[in-house]
Amino acid sequence: EVQLVESGGGLVQPGGSLRLSCAASGFAFSNYGMSWVRQTPGKGLEWVASISGTDATSYYADSVRGRFTISRDNSKNTLYLQLNSLTAEDAAVYYCAKGDCENDCYLCDYWGQGALVSVSS
Amino acid sequence: DILMTQSPSTLSASVGDRVTITCRASQSVSRQLAWFQQKPGKAPRLLISRASRLQSGVPSRFSGSGSETEFTLTISSLQPDDFATYYCQQYSDYSRAFGQGTKVEVK
Repeated sequence: EVQLVESGGGLVQPGGSLRLSCAASGFAFSNYGMSWVRQTPGKGLEWVASISGTDATSYYADSVRGRFTISRDNSKNTLYLQLNSLTAEDAAVYYCAKGDCENDCYLCDYWGQGALVSVSS
Repeated sequence: DILMTQSPSTLSASVGDRVTITCRASQSVSRQLAWFQQKPGKAPRLLISRASRLQSGVPSRFSGSGSETEFTLTISSLQPDDFATYYCQQYSDYSRAFGQGTKVEVK
């Protein structure tokens, strides 16, 4: 059974940083691209970043490029998202999601339960 | 970027009803269209990919159709477990945009 468990969410001040983690199990982690997708009541679901399975090439939405960094540790079956220079618009539930292919998978077939990121002074 | 528009935003229905949700793309996405179900506090669940391919374990009362810019999700006989919010997503281009969601609520 595919399982994705996010951690690291919390309250951070504007301009601050946070690191999200996603522990994966139940599939050959290194063989699949992985993504982060966020959700807010106002903007709905928004793709944030993706990373390929083997060569770890990363891809970003324009709204986060230069501020967020996606990475993975295939030896630990773990996906990460480093969030820097946070603003109120970054407040959301962040979902870790498994791609349906090896590289930059535009479709995700399994999702974690989400990590809440709040940005406030 | 491709814009995805769902209708209606909210749908009131009863158990046993046939339910249809529409998703329109601002430009052609071929059949690169997926449907997700989400319940409060839960992760989205992939129901359908490639416009009409039912995922393993998804009940056959769910079906998808369409191509290019217009797509539908149909629930043939609504069950209690189906009250949820449904999202379409195009995966034809880099933006991989989602629709705004359709909430199926109890009538």
